[in-house]
Amino acid sequence: KQEVTQIPAALSVPEGENLVLNCSFTDSAIYNLQWFRQDPGKGLTSLLLIQSSQREQTSGRLNASLDKSSGRSTLYIAASQPGDSATYLCAVRGIATDSWGKFQFGAGTQVVVTP
Amino acid sequence: ETGVTQSPTHLIKTRGQQVTLRCSSQSGHNTVSWYQQALGQGPQFIFQYYREEENGRGNFPPRFSGLQFPNYSSELNVNALELDDSALYLCASSFMTGGYEQYFGPGTRLTVT
Repeated sequence: KQEVTQIPAALSVPEGENLVLNCSFTDSAIYNLQWFRQDPGKGLTSLLLIQSSQREQTSGRLNASLDKSSGRSTLYIAASQPGDSATYLCAVRGIATDSWGKFQFGAGTQVVVTP
Repeated sequence: ETGVTQSPTHLIKTRGQQVTLRCSSQSGHNTVSWYQQALGQGPQFIFQYYREEENGRGNFPPRFSGLQFPNYSSELNVNALELDDSALYLCASSFMTGGYEQYFGPGTRLTVT
């Protein structure tokens, strides 16, 4: 059974510092991994999608890496801003028959960027 | 391009009642998934529909059921509501082929009293 873990659960950094968010998963048989942002009480906003054959994806200040063999993904946010304050979640989609279609989420990392 | 929409935004129900939540997929998407998110936790996968058929289900009892319509809109039905069903219910749509990137709606906050 796929388990997705995000450490730390919470993080506070001063504005301008780079953010490093970690996501680990137990089953390397994944179809893809997706990073999301969630503001309090709101839905999820997709940040980056990494297919299983890719090693990284970049969008603006965001960069996500994927190491399937070690079961890890890292989201880097450069030069953090107060507007980056939110909860960041990672989710993996499995490829096994009994996990197809299931998108397994971590519990998220709550980020606060202080001015 | 229209995003994923959900209705209603908030809902209060009494234990034992039934509820129907609705989702309208993003234009061009043929797959819809439903998730339950309790406070402080990540979303839990309920089920997925592709071409009006369920093709993936999480660890939720049969009183959680769904429908997908020909226009790819969807419903989540929950019977015999329990207090623990109080949560944010999220709908996500995607296209079955290609990258399979999921796009989420704003959610429906369900409170069961």
